[in-house]
Amino acid sequence: DIQMTQSPSSLSASVGDRVTITCRASQGISNYLAWYQQKPGKVPKLLIYAASTLQSGVPSRFSGSGSGTDFTLTINSLQPEDVATYYCQKYNSAPLTFGGGTKVEI
Amino acid sequence: EVQLVESGGGLVQPGGSLRLSCAASGFTFSFYWMHWVRQVPGKGLVWVSRINSDGSSINYADSVKGRFTISRDNAKNTLYLQMNSLRAEDTAVYYCAREGEVWALDYWGQGSLVTVSS
Repeated sequence: DIQMTQSPSSLSASVGDRVTITCRASQGISNYLAWYQQKPGKVPKLLIYAASTLQSGVPSRFSGSGSGTDFTLTINSLQPEDVATYYCQKYNSAPLTFGGGTKVEI
Repeated sequence: EVQLVESGGGLVQPGGSLRLSCAASGFTFSFYWMHWVRQVPGKGLVWVSRINSDGSSINYADSVKGRFTISRDNAKNTLYLQMNSLRAEDTAVYYCAREGEVWALDYWGQGSLVTVSS
């Protein structure tokens, strides 16, 4: 099975900073990669699909890139409401594995 | 408005069984693939299972294969997860989620807590 590895596992940044989270697949998955945001005590929310397409309603400070095995989620100008744990997930085939998560703090 | 509402969670002894339900509304349930995802409180998301729109194609995580059964009743707009031979490590919040047209999971339920303990 394909493994998904996220880094870092946690980070602390200041309001207005640019934050980058990486996700690496153990084998190529083309662009079948989604990013989810889970705020404390809340349900996961889809942010980005197809590696780089923003889900409707998601602020434009979020962006995704990558293809194959290496992917990136970028938050431009971090806001207080972005405090959350972020997960990548492959969905090209089962099992639809999630990365371990990246906790973003201010 | 799309809504997914899980029910059926609770406390069960090791080796016991439980059936989760996920009632869907606000969309044509029979058109969409559906998933179960679980999360140990304070830990990460773990994909559990998925079922296609008519129930003819099903996949499971290795950790639940042979013990859990996913199913759906399109007439009742309801997704199920039958969990047998439960173990302490199955303790988690179980979410149902819709696989949208973009193939990612675009709507999630609020979750149902399953606790396996004697």
